[in-house]
Amino acid sequence: SQQGEEDPQALSIQEGENATMNCSYKTSINNLQWYRQNSGRGLVHLILIRSNEREKHSGRLRVTLDTSKKSSSLLITASRAADTASYFCATDGGGSYIPTFGRGTSLIVHP
Amino acid sequence: DAGVIQSPRHEVTEMGQEVTLRCKPISGHNSLFWYRQTMMRGLELLIYFNNNVPIDDSGMPEDRFSAKMPNASFSTLKIQPSEPRDSAVYFCASSPGGLVIEQYFGPGTRLTVT
Repeated sequence: SQQGEEDPQALSIQEGENATMNCSYKTSINNLQWYRQNSGRGLVHLILIRSNEREKHSGRLRVTLDTSKKSSSLLITASRAADTASYFCATDGGGSYIPTFGRGTSLIVHP
Repeated sequence: DAGVIQSPRHEVTEMGQEVTLRCKPISGHNSLFWYRQTMMRGLELLIYFNNNVPIDDSGMPEDRFSAKMPNASFSTLKIQPSEPRDSAVYFCASSPGGLVIEQYFGPGTRLTVT
C-alpha cells in the first residue's frame, strides 16, 4: 500500500516551540504532500515534495524527504495556537498520481 | 473563486432513506474526488472522476453507493438505502489535473443516519 503513516499520532506543545511530524511509507513514490485539517473543516494543501527533491520550505514550514528511508518530516517552526490541527501526509506512486492519505497527526499548540 | 462547494453541510436521516450529497468543484479543475472520513477508518477515497468520467470506483463500499458527474461543474454521491454505519463526514475535492495533483477540499457534509 502507498499509504503513509504519520508519527506521532498526537503532539502537544507550547506556543513558540517547534513541532516535528513524521511520515513513513512502504513503496517508492512519485510525490509526497502534506495537508492540514482544522476541526470541522476540509483538508488544506500545505506543500508538495517530489521524489527527486530533498527539502522544501514554505513560510514557517519545512519539509524533508529521505527516499532511502522512505520517510518525510514536516517541521513547523515557532508554532502558534492557530497551528492546532491535524496534519496528514499523502503519497502517490507507481503508475498512479492519486494520493493516498495517512491517519494524521493531531497537533495541539497551547497558548 | 469560492472554492469547492458542498451541500448540505449537515444531514440527519433515518435508516433506509435515500441521501444525496452534492458538490461543485472549482471551475477549470478536471479531477473530482469523493472521500469518506471516520475516526475508525480515517480518510477513504470512494471514487474519482477525470473530465467527468469515473476512473476508479473501487473504494465505493457497496452497491448502495453511487456517484455521478453529469457535467464539469456538478457531482452527486447517493446512498440508497442509508444505514447507520454510513454515518461519517463526506468530502468532495477537486484538482486541476494533469501534472498538478494538489487537491482542494470542500467543507464536507456531516451525515448522521439514525
